[in-house]
Amino acid sequence: DIQMTQSPSSLSASVGDRVTITCRASQSISTYLNWYQQKPGKAPKLLIYTASSLQSGVPSRFSGSGSGTDFTLSISSLQPADFATYYCQQSYSNPYSFGQGTKVEIK
Amino acid sequence: EVQLVESGGGLVKPGGSLRLSCAASGFTFSNVWMSWVRQTPGKRLEWVGRITTLTGGGTTDYAAPVKGRFIISRDDSKNILYLQMNSLKTEDTAVYFCTTYNRYNALDFWGQGTMVTVSS
Repeated sequence: DIQMTQSPSSLSASVGDRVTITCRASQSISTYLNWYQQKPGKAPKLLIYTASSLQSGVPSRFSGSGSGTDFTLSISSLQPADFATYYCQQSYSNPYSFGQGTKVEIK
Repeated sequence: EVQLVESGGGLVKPGGSLRLSCAASGFTFSNVWMSWVRQTPGKRLEWVGRITTLTGGGTTDYAAPVKGRFIISRDDSKNILYLQMNSLKTEDTAVYFCTTYNRYNALDFWGQGTMVTVSS
């Protein structure tokens, strides 16, 4: 099975900051990497698929990059609505494993 | 508007069974692969399994921890996805979400989740 490791596990940032979250796969997954945002009490929401494609309706301040084993999710200018937990997920092979999550908190 | 509404969760004793349902609307259910994902009390997300379209064979795949105990099925005439859970263990305690797959295998729509608690 492919293991997904995110870093950091949590971070504190201010509104307007640029934020970067990284995700590493235990083996190459090409660009089969997705990012989700989850707010308390809600279901995860797809932000980015195939490493860099923005899901419809997601603000352009979110972007993704990477291929192979190393990926990043960036938020160019953090907004109040962005304080949440972010998960990466590989869709290269079953089981479609998730990272452990990165909680973005208000500084 | 895509809607996925899970139901059937609750409290069950170890070794017991439960069937979850996911009612889908707002899209052509029969054309879409579907999956179940669970979130543990520690907030870890775990892919449980998926089912392809019936025209594609209705093939199922499962994560190792649930293989042989859980069964995913679908009723395209009713637009409902099912998760039959047998021989439940305490570690199956989680919120269970149903999701759709897009053509890139990302999970693009999620239900609100239903809580399953396995405890004596």
